Amino acid sequence: DGGITQSPKYLFRKEGQNVTLSCEQNLNHDAMYWYRQDPGQGLRLIYYSQIVNDFQKGDIAEGYSVSREKKESFPLTVTSAQKNPTAFYLCASSIWGRGSNQPQHFGDGTRLSIL
Amino acid sequence: AQTVTQSQPEMSVQEAETVTLSCTYDTSESDYYLFWYKQPPSRQMILVIRQEAYKQQNATENRFSVNFQKAAKSFSLKISDSQLGDAAMYFCAYRSASGANSKLTFGKGITLSVRP
Repeated sequence: DGGITQSPKYLFRKEGQNVTLSCEQNLNHDAMYWYRQDPGQGLRLIYYSQIVNDFQKGDIAEGYSVSREKKESFPLTVTSAQKNPTAFYLCASSIWGRGSNQPQHFGDGTRLSIL
Repeated sequence: AQTVTQSQPEMSVQEAETVTLSCTYDTSESDYYLFWYKQPPSRQMILVIRQEAYKQQNATENRFSVNFQKAAKSFSLKISDSQLGDAAMYFCAYRSASGANSKLTFGKGITLSVRP
């Protein structure tokens, strides 16, 4: 079955440390997204990518970085510059293109906490 | 920029009853898509229903239906014959049809509890 796999499910970060969250999809989707979810805040877009080797900042990109070297993979690095990284992180993918009503498909998420 | 507002943070419904979750949005565009997503305690985001703005007919998926009022910029979700498994957070989301990407703008969500 096609889907999106996020790993790890739980992740702990020490002060000053960079950590990377993995996101892999086998849906053959062009577009991929990273969201952050905090209590009472809904989902906020961190970064998105419409095509390999290209990505765009979302609404809260500061302290995060991404890469898109393969269509299937869109890892998110939470850098030490992100002072409040504790949150639930969701990766999503979709068909790219204007006029498409196709929804985004989501992974199961990664819970990141500070040690 | 588009915004999505879900003004009720929590709602409760008796099992087998009907409940309506409210959502309003703000946009200057005429062509767009609207979605309702469900997030159960497992935290997985599940698409419930979608609506194209150019369609006048309200979308329906089994026990789930929407009341789409384009002029009022309102997009409510009605859940009929509520079941215990419907307990979850529900998010309303907006997507432009004119942009070259598929970015979603989400509301803050509503927590729905179902009383047995």
